[in-house]
Amino acid sequence: SYVLTQPPSVSVAPGQTARITCGGNNIGSKSVHWYQQKPGQAPVLVVYDDSDRPSGIPERFSGSNSGNTATLTISRVEAGDEADYYCQVWDSSSDPLYVFGTGTKVTVL
Amino acid sequence: EVQLVQSGAEVKKPGESLKISCKGSGYSFTSYWIGWVRQMPGKGLEWMGIIYPGDSDTRYSPSFQGQVTISADKSISTAYLQWSSLKASDTAMYYCARTFERRSPRNVYYFDYWGQGTLVTVSS
Repeated sequence: SYVLTQPPSVSVAPGQTARITCGGNNIGSKSVHWYQQKPGQAPVLVVYDDSDRPSGIPERFSGSNSGNTATLTISRVEAGDEADYYCQVWDSSSDPLYVFGTGTKVTVL
Repeated sequence: EVQLVQSGAEVKKPGESLKISCKGSGYSFTSYWIGWVRQMPGKGLEWMGIIYPGDSDTRYSPSFQGQVTISADKSISTAYLQWSSLKASDTAMYYCARTFERRSPRNVYYFDYWGQGTLVTVSS
């Protein structure tokens, strides 16, 4: 099965930039999606298809994907961005078809 | 407005059966796959399986194949996740989520709308 690896935690000061990586074998060839999950809440899609944002998601959230690493970047971090973040891919040659990353806890200092 | 509304929290004993639900509204229920995702206490997201309500085509993750059953009743726009014999290790939050699907120019599949979650607690 396909494996997605994320750092367990990232800490960032308010106003700075947080970068969350998602590593996978040749992940640059796949479409990567990112979810934000705040405590006690359901996940929310923040970036889809590597770098697109759903309506209502601030421009501060951006994504990139190349080689073996996809990255979610949160610019001008705010206290409200503190949450768990998960990457996700779909792979027709993998079982399971849908794979989530291990998750990253973003702490705003 | 797209909404997925899940049934309420459940407390069950080991060996009991359970069926939880996810009702969709605000879109064509039969035109989108619905997935189920497990989140054990303090842990990450795990994809369990998916169903296409239009024809009930169902796919399971190997980790959950044979452990749960996913079904749907398109007449009432509702998907289900059921267990025939619960274990303590089934204690978790379960989410349903609508799947966005695009096959061109490349395959894009993600979960664009999520239910609020159903907490299942299995304890003797």
